[in-house]
Amino acid sequence: AQSVAQPEDQVNVAEGNPLTVKCTYSVSGNPYLFWYVQYPNRGLQFLLKYITGDNLVKGSYGFEAEFNKSQTSFHLKKPSALVSDSALYFCAVRALSGYSTLTFGKGTMLLVSP
Amino acid sequence: DAGVIQSPRHEVTEMGQEVTLRCKPISGHDYLFWYRQTMMRGLELLIYFNNNVPIDDSGMPEDRFSAKMPNASFSTLKIQPSEPRDSAVYFCASSTDRDTEAFFGQGTRLTVV
Repeated sequence: AQSVAQPEDQVNVAEGNPLTVKCTYSVSGNPYLFWYVQYPNRGLQFLLKYITGDNLVKGSYGFEAEFNKSQTSFHLKKPSALVSDSALYFCAVRALSGYSTLTFGKGTMLLVSP
Repeated sequence: DAGVIQSPRHEVTEMGQEVTLRCKPISGHDYLFWYRQTMMRGLELLIYFNNNVPIDDSGMPEDRFSAKMPNASFSTLKIQPSEPRDSAVYFCASSTDRDTEAFFGQGTRLTVV
């Protein structure tokens, strides 16, 4: 069975500081990894994905994520946080092969203070 | 395109009543997903369709839940009879194929009292 762990329910960071939202996964074989963001009263919006290739993936709004196969992690990062980045962030995984569907983590609330 | 459109945005109903949630996917998207989001369980996949055919409904919690996709531009999720524990935000999402990112609607917030 595949699973995603987002160990932090909430991450607090000051505007202008770098941010990291952690994600670890478990899947049979190679993973297909996503990050989504959810703003209040809205649906999830796609940020970035990793299939193969460069371990550092760049996405929307200046976000990037680093795939680490040995640590089975796919942490989301941004060099300089904005107050407007405050939202709920979801990591998701599925096996690259086979017919499984995406499994989402429980989400991490990011709060960026002015 | 206007994106994935869900209706209603909010629904309050009494226990035992039938509830129907509606979704219009993005035109040209062959995959449609129904998710449920709660504080306790997070985001759960209920069912997904490919080319209007249900592929995996293993996430549907019980027989009270049913979903249909009569054509490429419309899907419904029905709960009959509804119970308070069904209270959640229900999202519909669509994608061009299983491996591409899904686009989510704004969700329907269901409250069963």
